Amino acid sequence: DTGVSQDPRHKITKRGQNVTFRCDPISEHNRLYWYRQTLGQGPEFLTYFQNEAQLEKSRLLSDRFSAERPKGSFSTLEIQRTEQGDSAMYLCASSWDRGIVGELFFGEGSRLTVL
Amino acid sequence: AQSVTQPDIHITVSEGASLELRCNYSYGATPYLFWYVQSPGQGLQLLLKYFSGDTLVQGIKGFEAEFKRSQSSFNLRKPSVHWSDAAEYFCAVGNQFYFGTGTSLTVIP
Repeated sequence: DTGVSQDPRHKITKRGQNVTFRCDPISEHNRLYWYRQTLGQGPEFLTYFQNEAQLEKSRLLSDRFSAERPKGSFSTLEIQRTEQGDSAMYLCASSWDRGIVGELFFGEGSRLTVL
Repeated sequence: AQSVTQPDIHITVSEGASLELRCNYSYGATPYLFWYVQSPGQGLQLLLKYFSGDTLVQGIKGFEAEFKRSQSSFNLRKPSVHWSDAAEYFCAVGNQFYFGTGTSLTVIP
């Protein structure tokens, strides 16, 4: 297994366009997380899944953001009607939760630039 | 509400000197606590974690951290810093891994 992979690595879009990011977690991991990171800041929690169930979504996340994990494997994060403030690195991470929280393994991120 | 505070935005130490990075948390129960490191252009890597038991935990690369419930702290330490330790360090808490804003470490030769 090659770890958590994210696609695309870089995305440049115009304001108002929709973008979608994909995350493929480590295959046996049942938890999947999405974070947003801007320069000089720590990763900001967006949402997480346990298998296909979305268990929590940050109140900071506007209705323009939606995430899915339809079969409990890969996940997508869609941003509708992008704004310049959405420019950031979007990080995906996965872990194996056996009743206690497992180590998070991060992907290399998808960098979004909104012009 | 869960939150993490890293009071030091930037720290500079000389190579070979000791290091302590501060982390304070707010959490309703016994927290899961983590320290991650992010080197320039690299992904986040786990240094160590605390779930329960011994309050002094050992991690990779010679790092350790001590959980102090009375102070709501989980400070990261290293007795002798190497130039390769220069990076951004993040403390995180809870099931959802809420991260602090990070401490940037510069190591002077």
